Amino acid sequence: NAGVTQTPKFQVLKTGQSMTLQCAQDMNHNSMYWYRQDPGMGLRLIYYSASEGTTDKGEVPNGYNVSRLNKREFSLRLESAAPSQTSVYLCASSESGGHQPQHFGDGTRLSIL
Amino acid sequence: RKEVEQDPGPFNVPEGATVAFNCTYSNSASQSFFWYRQDCRKEPKLLMSVYSSGNEDGRFTAQLNRASQYISLLIRDSKLSDSATYLCVVSNDYKLSFGAGTTVTVRA
Repeated sequence: NAGVTQTPKFQVLKTGQSMTLQCAQDMNHNSMYWYRQDPGMGLRLIYYSASEGTTDKGEVPNGYNVSRLNKREFSLRLESAAPSQTSVYLCASSESGGHQPQHFGDGTRLSIL
Repeated sequence: RKEVEQDPGPFNVPEGATVAFNCTYSNSASQSFFWYRQDCRKEPKLLMSVYSSGNEDGRFTAQLNRASQYISLLIRDSKLSDSATYLCVVSNDYKLSFGAGTTVTVRA
């Protein structure tokens, strides 16, 4: 019953460093999503992948890139980390996009100094 | 204007009480509606979908008012374990829009 698995769970970076957040789901879902969650702001969509082979920008894509490696895996990359990217990053998946409920991983807490 | 707005609370209620709160959404074309629950430092989890006719799941009742563009959640006979942040979620085309959450604390 793994559902959505995210790695790492915690990470501290220095400004300018790069890293990739990993996400994998075992529910055979078509759509996957990356959000960031900041206090008082709710979840904001960074990028999403409606199906394998496609990716699209969400509400706050600047400073991020994504790769839908296969149906199971969707990674998020920070090329040059900035303090404003300190946040909790949540990956989610759904059977298909739009109107289906999403299932979340337990998040990556990222701090950028 | 935010797509989904919620009263942040906190709503502080005794065990056994009834608590209710709303959220409003801005896009009249929104098609699906959900309530998620998020415990401190945990991921959001689906609590229930919200249907046009209103629906119940045990002690939880959700209502949708399309004319006024709001969704409500009512919790009856509150338990200590109901303490959490409740996220109002609305679907628009390809994505879900999340409210910032309403915090409920149930005290003994």
